[in-house]
Amino acid sequence: AQTVTQSQPEMSVQEAETVTLSCTYDTSESDYYLFWYKQPPSRQMILVIRQEAYKQQNATENRFSVNFQKAAKSFSLKISDSQLGDAAMYFCAYRWSGANNLFFGTGTRLTVIP
Amino acid sequence: DVKVTQSSRYLVKRTGEKVFLECVQDMDHENMFWYRQDPGLGLRLIYFSYDVKMKEKGDIPEGYSVSREKKERFSLILESASTNQTSMYLCASSPLGGGGILKTQYFGPGTRLLVL
Repeated sequence: AQTVTQSQPEMSVQEAETVTLSCTYDTSESDYYLFWYKQPPSRQMILVIRQEAYKQQNATENRFSVNFQKAAKSFSLKISDSQLGDAAMYFCAYRWSGANNLFFGTGTRLTVIP
Repeated sequence: DVKVTQSSRYLVKRTGEKVFLECVQDMDHENMFWYRQDPGLGLRLIYFSYDVKMKEKGDIPEGYSVSREKKERFSLILESASTNQTSMYLCASSPLGGGGILKTQYFGPGTRLLVL
């Protein structure tokens, strides 16, 4: 069964600093996709970044990047130059390529300290 | 931009009431999903639908049913609401085809349901 684990329920970072959120997953599949979603206090869940498992290159979106370690089944999110607007719940998610549904972790609440 | 809307942001119902939560998407997506979000548990899939009148059970379908009569609309029904169904409910949609990574899910703003 697929499971996604986020071991850090809460994290904090100083504004302008860098923070890394951890995510591990368990799967027996080789072809899958990984996602980080952000849920700000307004509650609209938005996609931050996504990664195809077959790609060795780590995905990057502006200040957001991932460290994808397929053998270790690890998918961490790095936020550089943190901003107050980055404060949110962050969810890691997994989807097998042959399925439509996502499996989510339990989330990490990120606080940005001015 | 994909837009997914949900009929209510906040809802208060009494135990035993029948509750309808509605979700509408405007991007002609084939797939639609209903999740429940609880602190410490993340998001858990209740039901999803990949076409009109088609549905699949997710991880926690007990106590819920769904209806999809039109492609853009997906309803979640609580036949007889109970206090343990107090939660945040999130709807999402995604396209069916176009390659694996393009099946990214887009979420609505959520409905916070309180059952008294």
